[in-house]
Amino acid sequence: DAKTTQPTSMDCAEGRAANLPCNHSTISGNEYVYWYRQIHSQGPQYIIHGLKNNETNEMASLIITEDRKSSTLILPHATLRDTAVYYCIVRAPSGNTPLVFGKGTRLSVIA
Amino acid sequence: EPEVTQTPSHQVTQMGQEVILRCVPISNHLYFYWYRQILGQKVEFLVSFYNNEISEKSEIFDDQFSVERPDGSNFTLKIRSTKLEDSAMYFCASSPGQGLGGGAFGPGTRLTVT
Repeated sequence: DAKTTQPTSMDCAEGRAANLPCNHSTISGNEYVYWYRQIHSQGPQYIIHGLKNNETNEMASLIITEDRKSSTLILPHATLRDTAVYYCIVRAPSGNTPLVFGKGTRLSVIA
Repeated sequence: EPEVTQTPSHQVTQMGQEVILRCVPISNHLYFYWYRQILGQKVEFLVSFYNNEISEKSEIFDDQFSVERPDGSNFTLKIRSTKLEDSAMYFCASSPGQGLGGGAFGPGTRLTVT
């Protein structure tokens, strides 16, 4: 079972920042926080991952609390194309360890 | 940008038939995976493959399923005798090493069993 809790759905106005929360209170010391998204029925798309420091790339920023029990994915300027289901996943960084997907958050970006 | 490709995009088969789903992972990746997603449900892990052998598999991946990397570029999933409940999107994924950050999923094959 997924070790994360996310809101079922969220709305965001186009051009505004989308902040997607995730709780992972049982995260282990060696587990990373990964974020993926799935647009309609396409394959999941990797967004970002981190261990304990905040991370930023061209798609998003990841803010992880100091106790690592929760995190927030930030899309700084949401567009209509960001409408998708966003998955927060905790996972040890071993190639053999599968990703365990929960139900994610359905983000709707509204014009 | 390199990407994972999958063929066919849609496969229709009759119950009891064998199907082979094909994937071409990103060329320098070392870990390969199959996931599936039944319509309206979560993405579920099936199997991971490394160094020419299965490294981990889920309860879903029973004796009806097998994987192979026959020629160093393709990665296949075979379902020996399909059932109606095998109807789903099947996603192949690959990653370069530890972790899937930096890895990628393919666009999926929609399998319909009639």
